[in-house]
Amino acid sequence: EPEVTQTPSHQVTQMGQEVILRCVPISNHLYFYWYRQILGQKVEFLVSFYNNEISEKSEIFDDQFSVERPDGSNFTLKIRSTKLEDSAMYFCASSDNRDYGYTFGSGTRLTVV
Amino acid sequence: RKEVEQDPGPFNVPEGATVAFNCTYSNSASQSFFWYRQDCRKEPKLLMSVYSSGNEDGRFTAQLNRASQYISLLIRDSKLSDSATYLCVVTNTGGFKTIFGAGTRLFVKA
Repeated sequence: EPEVTQTPSHQVTQMGQEVILRCVPISNHLYFYWYRQILGQKVEFLVSFYNNEISEKSEIFDDQFSVERPDGSNFTLKIRSTKLEDSAMYFCASSDNRDYGYTFGSGTRLTVV
Repeated sequence: RKEVEQDPGPFNVPEGATVAFNCTYSNSASQSFFWYRQDCRKEPKLLMSVYSSGNEDGRFTAQLNRASQYISLLIRDSKLSDSATYLCVVTNTGGFKTIFGAGTRLFVKA
């Protein structure tokens, strides 16, 4: 079964550092998403990406965040200057049809120290 | 009012029981509706999409009532492996923004 691949599985970074979280969506999918889940809390939408541009973003997705699809396969989330409160599990997801649901990757656990 | 609200849990049921989860959403213009399950410290996995006509997949039945802005999931003949958190998920108009409920935890016991 096709899957969404995320790397690394766990990243520890110092406060103020930049991090890039990487995702390889399912190859024929057109819609890409990033979510985060702080430990013990609900899954929160960050951003959706379609046709090489951001389709929608949440209030969480401020100027510190950016997304990119640098080639035909990767989809990245960059956090420019990490804060302690950015510590969370970050999930990438992709879909070939928004009405039929999304496939999630296994996540990157980001720890900011 | 929360955008997506689910029954607070947890639900503790014996194997073989029938269990129902409820969910309400605040935006009447919401476009698509889903149930996902999430195991501890794992990614959400799509269980089923939810349609106004209702849909069934084996032991699972989902229902959508747009007039009441209400979504339900019924699990029949619960198995130990059904133990997980069940997430109600709604997309906004246009379908690009996804809103998750806080989830309802289910424990199925032998």
